[in-house]
Formats: sequence, structure tokens, C-alpha cells
Amino acid sequence: NAGVTQTPKFRVLKTGQSMTLLCAQDMNHEYMYWYRQDPGMGLRLIHYSVGEGTTAKGEVPDGYNVSRLKKQNFLLGLESAAPSQTSVYFCASFSLEDYTEAFFGQGTRLTVV
Amino acid sequence: KNQVEQSPQSLIILEGKNCTLQCNYTVSPFSNLRWYKQDTGRGPVSLTIMTFSENTKSNGRYTATLDADTKQSSLHITASQLSDSASYICVVRLSGGSYIPTFGRGTSLIVHP
Repeated sequence: NAGVTQTPKFRVLKTGQSMTLLCAQDMNHEYMYWYRQDPGMGLRLIHYSVGEGTTAKGEVPDGYNVSRLKKQNFLLGLESAAPSQTSVYFCASFSLEDYTEAFFGQGTRLTVV
Repeated sequence: KNQVEQSPQSLIILEGKNCTLQCNYTVSPFSNLRWYKQDTGRGPVSLTIMTFSENTKSNGRYTATLDADTKQSSLHITASQLSDSASYICVVRLSGGSYIPTFGRGTSLIVHP
């Protein structure tokens, strides 16, 4: 049982480059979230989705876009990376029946130079 | 604004000793509170959930308490082990169908041999 899988695990980008982070879950969860985690800041919500084809902004959405074309996948895009986007990114999914427990991926460490 | 405050920010203890982590919240209306453990380089994993009617719940050497009147929760770790070194995150969810849980910034625990 893979749970929540994030791709890639590590990435270094140059300022201005673009990239897409992929989150895949095999638990048939309706809710999916993207967080970033910075030292001393905790987990901050970037964007989230409550179902296929729907997305919404979280606490820190600027500079990011998302798409949920399939229920099991949630993509996070950086169109023009900035050094301020250097962070560890976590994807999480919740079940509609019990959307109290979040299942997290292993994280993507992104460095923008 | 709904907030979750954790203390201390960091804690260092010797192996075998006990410790208690605190979580105070202003989230209202309250639904439930979860404690997560996040090992270095990994995503958070749920340890325990506390609902409004529960005062104490144990999961092995971890015991969580909840005082819904004072809006405080604690996580007590007994006979600490080196593997307990991690960040412990308190997460509170609103009742009424909110999709977005509120995360604390976490307490970093280091257990020394």
C-alpha cells in the first residue's frame, strides 16, 4: 500500500525556471492538499482540492498553481521559481468519511538558486 | 483568527526521561485534535486523536490529554527513547464541515543517550 507518493524527492531550480510537483494517492481520498514547511513556520497551506476538477487557495497561494484532473493526482506548479520558494513541500490527502486524519507524502525538498 | 500554539518550541531530554508537550488552541467551534509525529525528512504521521468528549487517550508510551473547557491539550511521553526524537505537531479541526485543519508549528524533541 503506497499511500501518498510525491515526485520528485529533491530538485534544484534556477530562478525563473518552472517545474511541476506530482502527488499521487491510492486511497481513493477526496481531499488533497499542498503544504510548504519552512524552519520555525510549521506547515502552511498553499492550495487544496475537495474533489476532482476543483481547487481552492490556501494561506500562501501566490506563485503557485494547481490542478486536479484525476481524483488520485494533485499537481503543484511553479511557473517562475523564486528563491523565496525554497522549501520542503508536502502533499496530504484526507478521506471524506474521516477527514480528520491526514496522510502525508514523504516531501519534496526544493532549492531555488 | 483560529490559532494553535505549541510549547515549548524545542526540548532536549535524556533517554529514559519523561516529557510533556503542550498545545493551546483558539479554534472554535472545536471538532477534534490530533497529535502528529514528524521524523526528520519524513511526512507527519498521526499518533492519536482527541474528540470533544475525551479527556485522556494512550498509544503505547504516548498519552494525550484534552481539556476542552480551557482549550488545552498535552502529549506526555513516558520513558523516552532515541526514536522519539522528532517534531510533534498539534492539529485542530473545526466542526461544521471545514475542509482546512489548523496546524501548530510543532515542538522539536531531541532525546540524547
